Amino acid sequence: AQSVAQPEDQVNVAEGNPLTVKCTYSVSGNPYLFWYVQYPNRGLQFLLKYITGDNLVKGSYGFEAEFNKSQTSFHLKKPSALVSDSALYFCAVRENSNSGYALNFGKGTSLLVTP
Amino acid sequence: DAGVIQSPRHEVTEMGQEVTLRCKPISGHNSLFWYRQTMMRGLELLIYFNNNVPIDDSGMPEDRFSAKMPNASFSTLKIQPSEPRDSAVYFCASSLIRLETQYFGPGTRLLVL
Repeated sequence: AQSVAQPEDQVNVAEGNPLTVKCTYSVSGNPYLFWYVQYPNRGLQFLLKYITGDNLVKGSYGFEAEFNKSQTSFHLKKPSALVSDSALYFCAVRENSNSGYALNFGKGTSLLVTP
Repeated sequence: DAGVIQSPRHEVTEMGQEVTLRCKPISGHNSLFWYRQTMMRGLELLIYFNNNVPIDDSGMPEDRFSAKMPNASFSTLKIQPSEPRDSAVYFCASSLIRLETQYFGPGTRLLVL
């Protein structure tokens, strides 16, 4: 079975500092990995995904994520946090197979960026 | 370009009543997903369709829940009878099969009294 874990319920960072939101995954095959962001009272918005290729993936709003196969991780990063980045962040995984197309989401990490 | 459209955005109903949530996927998308989000359980996949055919409904909590997709541009999620524990935000998402990225609607916030 495929799954992701987001070990931190909340991450606090000062504006201007780098941020990292952690995600580890478990799949039997090669993973498709995603990050989504949810602002209050809104739906989830796609940030970036890793399918294959370069381990460093760049996405929307200056975010990037690094795929690390040996550590089964896909941490979300941003060099300089903004107050407007404060939101709920979800990591998701799907196996790279034809068995289905549904994603498994983590429980989410709340990011708070303080001025 | 319109995104995924959900209606109603908010629904307040009394226990025992029937609730119908509606979703219009992005035009051209052929996969549709229904999720439920609560504080306790996070984001849960309820059911998904490929080309209007239900593929996996193992996440549907019980027989009170049913979902249909009569055509490529419309889906419903029905709860009958509703219970207070069904109170949650229900999201619909759509994607192109094999392109993986799901696009979410704004959600329907359901409160069952």
